[in-house]
Amino acid sequence: QKEVEQNSGPLSVPEGAIASLNCTYSDRGSQSFFWYRQYSGKSPELIMFIYSNGDKEDGRFTAQLNKASQYVSLLIRDSQPSDSATYLCAVRSDKLTFGTGTRLAVRP
Amino acid sequence: NAGVMQNPRHLVRRRGQEARLRCSPMKGHSHVYWYRQLPEEGLKFMVYLQKENIIDESGMPKERFSAEFPKEGPSILRIQQVVRGDSAAYFCASSPSQGFVGNTIYFGEGSWLTVV
Repeated sequence: QKEVEQNSGPLSVPEGAIASLNCTYSDRGSQSFFWYRQYSGKSPELIMFIYSNGDKEDGRFTAQLNKASQYVSLLIRDSQPSDSATYLCAVRSDKLTFGTGTRLAVRP
Repeated sequence: NAGVMQNPRHLVRRRGQEARLRCSPMKGHSHVYWYRQLPEEGLKFMVYLQKENIIDESGMPKERFSAEFPKEGPSILRIQQVVRGDSAAYFCASSPSQGFVGNTIYFGEGSWLTVV
């Protein structure tokens, strides 16, 4: 079992829709959870982090964490073509472990 | 990723040469992480360092790769006798001390190594 699992996609949504990205992790000792966005040929850019169960909202983005289910998600409201990128879920215990990422394509 | 400085941004080496990649963490950050990303693949953890200490090197290849983070100066990832399979993007990230679970981790812009 991979430590951090994500559906590789691509996930295709129309402009203005809600994009839902999911991630599961195996280490119950994980303490904090991160979502990064990566454009092709660029470095990962931090979008949000969360470490308490529940929801955390920042603008169009909402991160959701359920430690009992070992599940973390990212919702992107009012998706824009500029949101088209690979979204990386990362889980931190001592080091930061990444999933392989989900490619999101927002259709104009 | 503002503040984490990596250089060089692009590096070309012939097989058998050495590659040195440097990373200066954000101001106030004492923890440095190195990751490797092969084309069309995810980020793979390599090593986690504090000043003068290697905390976790479980992702480092056993041979040819080494990393340091001296008391003064940047962290350095060193690859000896490079081979074509070392061609990848190498990302450095930094964070403050481990004390708070909410500490975020920021990435530099990466160093792209091409072995010819």
